[in-house]
Amino acid sequence: NAGVTQTPKFQVLKTGQSMTLQCAQDMNHEYMSWYRQDPGMGLRLIHYSVGAGITDQGEVPNGYNVSRSTTEDFPLRLLSAAPSQTSVYFCASSYLGAWGTQYFGPGTRLLVL
Amino acid sequence: GQQLNQSPQSMFIQEGEDVSMNCTSSSIFNTWLWYKQDPGEGPVLLIALYKAGELTSNGRLTAQFGITRKDSFLNISASIPSDVGIYFCAGPANAGGTSYGKLTFGQGTILTVHP
Repeated sequence: NAGVTQTPKFQVLKTGQSMTLQCAQDMNHEYMSWYRQDPGMGLRLIHYSVGAGITDQGEVPNGYNVSRSTTEDFPLRLLSAAPSQTSVYFCASSYLGAWGTQYFGPGTRLLVL
Repeated sequence: GQQLNQSPQSMFIQEGEDVSMNCTSSSIFNTWLWYKQDPGEGPVLLIALYKAGELTSNGRLTAQFGITRKDSFLNISASIPSDVGIYFCAGPANAGGTSYGKLTFGQGTILTVHP
């Protein structure tokens, strides 16, 4: 049981490049989400999903797209990276009935030059 | 959206000391969560509180759900080096409802423990 996995661990992009951050969970959780963490600002919700085919925006969705084609996977896409998207990105998952107990992945550290 | 304010922002303590930190909100919350983030890793849930006045322990950690429902406290007794990390409070983004995991996080308290 791997829990929540994220790839890559580190990534450097140039402004304007696109990329996809991968997230997968093997706990059959309905709920999955993406957060970004910036110094002194805690974690801020980007997008979330309550099940396959259902996604919604969080607090800071601009510049990011998501889709949920399977229960296990929830990729985050940056269509045109900007320096303001330099951050650490965390994926999390939980059962809908126990959403307070979210399991976080190890994070992806992204630097946009 | 809801905002949570944590204090202090950072703490430097000696091993064996007790630690107290708190989290406040301008809105009423019906759930308070405390997470810990070890360096280089994702946050892990420590304690969940669901009722005003509730006091819950997890080993050396004790958390309380404030009576006003606008604050929560986390205490760590007899700190050890592995307590180092960032402690976050969190609650439902819409404060009173079932927001299916839309959590709002405080900015975190950075704890450093000197051996």
